[in-house]
Amino acid sequence: RKEVEQDPGPFNVPEGATVAFNCTYSNSASQSFFWYRQDCRKEPKLLMSVYSSGNEDGRFTAQLNRASQYISLLIRDSKLSDSATYLCVVAVTNAGKSTFGDGTTLTVKP
Amino acid sequence: GAGVSQSPSNKVTEKGKDVELRCDPISGHTALYWYRQSLGQGLEFLIYFQGNSAPDKSGLPSDRFSAERTGGSVSTLTIQRTQQEDSAVYLCASSLPSSGSPDTQYFGPGTRLTVL
Repeated sequence: RKEVEQDPGPFNVPEGATVAFNCTYSNSASQSFFWYRQDCRKEPKLLMSVYSSGNEDGRFTAQLNRASQYISLLIRDSKLSDSATYLCVVAVTNAGKSTFGDGTTLTVKP
Repeated sequence: GAGVSQSPSNKVTEKGKDVELRCDPISGHTALYWYRQSLGQGLEFLIYFQGNSAPDKSGLPSDRFSAERTGGSVSTLTIQRTQQEDSAVYLCASSLPSSGSPDTQYFGPGTRLTVL
């Protein structure tokens, strides 16, 4: 079993749709959680950190469920520019090895 | 300010040759990470530096892989006797960890290594 698991998708949604991704992690000692976005043949870029209380940034909402060991990302009112691969990232300590999921691919269509 | 830079951007080499990949982190970032990403796959952790020391080398796939960091800045990843399975994009990231805050990593554009 992988340390961090994501549904690879692809998720194909129309513009304006709401889409949610889940990610599960196996190490209960994990302390830091992130969502990164990676465009085709580009480097990953931080989308948002995930806090225990949940957090929102515009159309994006991230949630953490420690008891069930999963994090989620909700994208509302999808835009064409949201098309990318979304990577779930988990770290045990504040700095050090981070484990990346294999990513979930989202395609938003007109 | 400048982001993380990596060189070369592309490297084609023959099986059995040694290669050196370079990473220039963001100025002032104390932590530096190397990952590799094969086509269509996620990122595979290789090594983590805090300053010049590498507290976690657990991801290096074999003893053909080594990395060093000097002056708390530039890092080089060396692959000896390259094999075709080493072909991948090698990504470097840097960060400035602070107690109590999530450690945000900033990635360079990567070096695409092709071993023929």
